[in-house]
Amino acid sequence: KNEVEQSPQNLTAQEGEFITINCSYSVGISALHWLQQHPGGGIVSLFMLSSGKKKHGRLIATINIQEKHSSLHITASHPRDSAVYICAVYMYSGGGADGLTFGKGTHLIIQP
Amino acid sequence: DVKVTQSSRYLVKRTGEKVFLECVQDMDHENMFWYRQDPGLGLRLIYFSYDVKMKEKGDIPEGYSVSREKKERFSLILESASTNQTSMYLCASSLEITSGSHYTDTQYFGPGTRLTVL
Repeated sequence: KNEVEQSPQNLTAQEGEFITINCSYSVGISALHWLQQHPGGGIVSLFMLSSGKKKHGRLIATINIQEKHSSLHITASHPRDSAVYICAVYMYSGGGADGLTFGKGTHLIIQP
Repeated sequence: DVKVTQSSRYLVKRTGEKVFLECVQDMDHENMFWYRQDPGLGLRLIYFSYDVKMKEKGDIPEGYSVSREKKERFSLILESASTNQTSMYLCASSLEITSGSHYTDTQYFGPGTRLTVL
């Protein structure tokens, strides 16, 4: 079973700061997801990546397959970025969907 | 846009009651999942299904069962609700895309059902 570790668990920063959230996993994977959960429970899938880097607006996700590590970066952070960010890894076993293994999440607060 | 809907946002039940949580997706996805989310524990997979009538146990299936009679609908059943099943329940669906040895999948989540068992 894959172990997924996220760091930091909690992060408070000032508006405008560059934010980095890290995710490490123990077993080779097929894909990695970054998810965002706002207060109230709704979960949004931000990125799904299996190599390299993806960028969407102020969000950038990178993955290093050899190091088994991914980072989520937020540039020019804003209070509306305050949320829980969850890393999840997917390993395809060939027998059908196995679901995701989730990290425990990083609680980010951006202060004005 | 993919839409995943869950039958209730908030639900309060009594210990011993049978509880049905319904999930419907409108994008013809093969795979559907039920998770529960608890503080400090993150998301944990209860059951998943990769086709109609197919079901597989996840990490914490005890006390739950599921039903997938139609492709778009995946139901989670608590046969006899207990207080330790008070939680946020999240449904998700996904479409597998396999290209050679490369596999991609994106899960789309419903809004969640916050279940309280008294």
